Amino acid sequence: KNEVEQSPQNLTAQEGEFITINCSYSVGISALHWLQQHPGGGIVSLFMLSSGKKKHGRLIATINIQEKHSSLHITASHPRDSAVYICAVRSLQGGSEKLVFGKGTKLTVNP
Amino acid sequence: KAGVTQTPRYLIKTRGQQVTLSCSPISGHRSVSWYQQTPGQGLQFLFEYFSETQRNKGNFPGRFSGRQFSNSRSEMNVSTLELGDSALYLCASSSGPAGSTEAFFGQGTRLTVV
Repeated sequence: KNEVEQSPQNLTAQEGEFITINCSYSVGISALHWLQQHPGGGIVSLFMLSSGKKKHGRLIATINIQEKHSSLHITASHPRDSAVYICAVRSLQGGSEKLVFGKGTKLTVNP
Repeated sequence: KAGVTQTPRYLIKTRGQQVTLSCSPISGHRSVSWYQQTPGQGLQFLFEYFSETQRNKGNFPGRFSGRQFSNSRSEMNVSTLELGDSALYLCASSSGPAGSTEAFFGQGTRLTVV
């Protein structure tokens, strides 16, 4: 079982829909990141969370430390939101801290 | 402020050769971390440097190595290349230790081993 699980793997939505991507992790973490990767490879950091909730424009990220779960919400989705969304956690393992990544959620927003 | 710059963007190498990739972080950032991305394994952490010291290392063989210079620029080296090393190699810079502060990613170096 992967230490970071994302769901769904693929998501297709119509423009304007509310979207939720989920991330569950099984290790202790000091921070959780949501990343966006567009075709071509460039990665943009969307949020870094250690507790609570953050909002940036149409994007909202929440984290529940007790349940080891985070969600990324996109309100009023737009075709330009089409990308792969990746959840990553910074965890301490074997005396070494490192970022562990989920497999990503591929989002397609149709006009 | 210039972003994270990785060079080269594309590279084709032959099995058995070695390769060096470069990453210039955002000015003022002291942390550089490296990642490998493949279709099968997704993103995997390679190593992290902070102020010229390797702080953390992922589960990769010793053929993968790196270093960081006093100006925070970092290089990653892969020796005795294998076909499975074909991947997108990404670096990220941050003001603090990787993952503890916001990370800024470069565009990556796409390595193809033939």
